[in-house]
Amino acid sequence: DGGITQSPKYLFRKEGQNVTLSCEQNLNHDAMYWYRQDPGQGLRLIYYSQIVNDFQKGDIAEGYSVSREKKESFPLTVTSAQKNPTAFYLCASSISPTGNTEAFFGQGTRLTVV
Amino acid sequence: QKEVEQDPGPLSVPEGAIVSLNCTYSNSAFQYFMWYRQYSRKGPELLMYTYSSGNKEDGRFTAQVDKSSKYISLFIRDSQPSDSATYLCAMSSNRDDKIIFGKGTRLHILP
Repeated sequence: DGGITQSPKYLFRKEGQNVTLSCEQNLNHDAMYWYRQDPGQGLRLIYYSQIVNDFQKGDIAEGYSVSREKKESFPLTVTSAQKNPTAFYLCASSISPTGNTEAFFGQGTRLTVV
Repeated sequence: QKEVEQDPGPLSVPEGAIVSLNCTYSNSAFQYFMWYRQYSRKGPELLMYTYSSGNKEDGRFTAQVDKSSKYISLFIRDSQPSDSATYLCAMSSNRDDKIIFGKGTRLHILP
């Protein structure tokens, strides 16, 4: 079945550690996105990528990094510079990089700092 | 003014009632409008996708877009307890790559 797979579902990080969240899609979509969801805050865009080897900062990119070496993969690294990383992270993809098609989401990764 | 405004709720309605969920927006360039349903601890799933103004119906769900008022709505007929979730509106334009989301409305359908 086609879809977006995020792993792991739950992730625990010690303070000062970097962690990488995986996002893979087999929908042949050009555009991929990372959002962060906090209670009462809605979805906030971290990074997005229109095509392979290209990505742009979203509204809250500080403390995060991404890569887009393959069309189907868009991993997100939460670095130690991110001061409040505990959140629910959602990856999405859409056919068109111009924002004029709907986005489909993975099931999310819940990151907790311990 | 925020780009997309959505009442967070919670909104509680009895089973079988018609539910109306709404968003307002400020960017007149938005042309593509979406509604997502999100169950607790899950990723959002796409319910409705519309382009420009007008209505779109899919089963018990109807999406309306009024671009002149910068107002979009999602109606749920014959609401069921399984409709209890958070509903997110989202929109985008041709000129920008980003999809902008509302904060979501929590809906409770009371059996």
